[in-house]
Amino acid sequence: EAQVTQNPRYLITVTGKKLTVTCSQNMNHEYMSWYRQDPGLGLRQIYYSMNVEVTDKGDVPEGYKVSRKEKRNFPLILESPSPNQTSLYFCASRADSTDTQYFGPGTRLTVL
Amino acid sequence: DAKTTQPPSMDCAEGRAANLPCNHSTISGNEYVYWYRQIHSQGPQYIIHGLKNNETNEMASLIITEDRKSSTLILPHATLRDTAVYYCIVLPRGAAGNKLTFGGGTRVLVKP
Repeated sequence: EAQVTQNPRYLITVTGKKLTVTCSQNMNHEYMSWYRQDPGLGLRQIYYSMNVEVTDKGDVPEGYKVSRKEKRNFPLILESPSPNQTSLYFCASRADSTDTQYFGPGTRLTVL
Repeated sequence: DAKTTQPPSMDCAEGRAANLPCNHSTISGNEYVYWYRQIHSQGPQYIIHGLKNNETNEMASLIITEDRKSSTLILPHATLRDTAVYYCIVLPRGAAGNKLTFGGGTRVLVKP
């Protein structure tokens, strides 16, 4: 089944403790991105990647890092999480030839 | 990118057609109309998109007015599982980063 998977789905952590949220897609898509969704602020793009080893900042990249060493994986790294990074995070992918984005199920992160 | 305007909410009876309007009066010639939906806190799901012709797929139909300033998403036989927030977005094809910016959307409640 074609899908985007994220892990973990739920995470509660403390300020400053490094964490990684993984994202993987099995559709051989070139493009992947990370979004966060907050009440009243809608969906905001954090980082995106057009292909392996090619990443760029979205609208809210501060406090996040990404890497794209393999086509299928696009992990989101929070080196020193802070409470304002408490949010619902979505990974998405699309093929280079289309504009349809496929989203993962989401990761609900709480930083205490 | 052109902005869109959607009614904040609407109810629909199960089994009936749901017609969701979207106004995009500032749309430009190279921009497509996309529809996504988000079932409570799940990842957004692509529904359909179009440029100027009406489109239909297994999920829905998209009717775009001749002047392209508005469109209507039609769910032909709404089910309880169609209860979700529906987002209308306009984007140029192949936009760099292909960032999705969701506005308020229309919260659709399908009632038995």
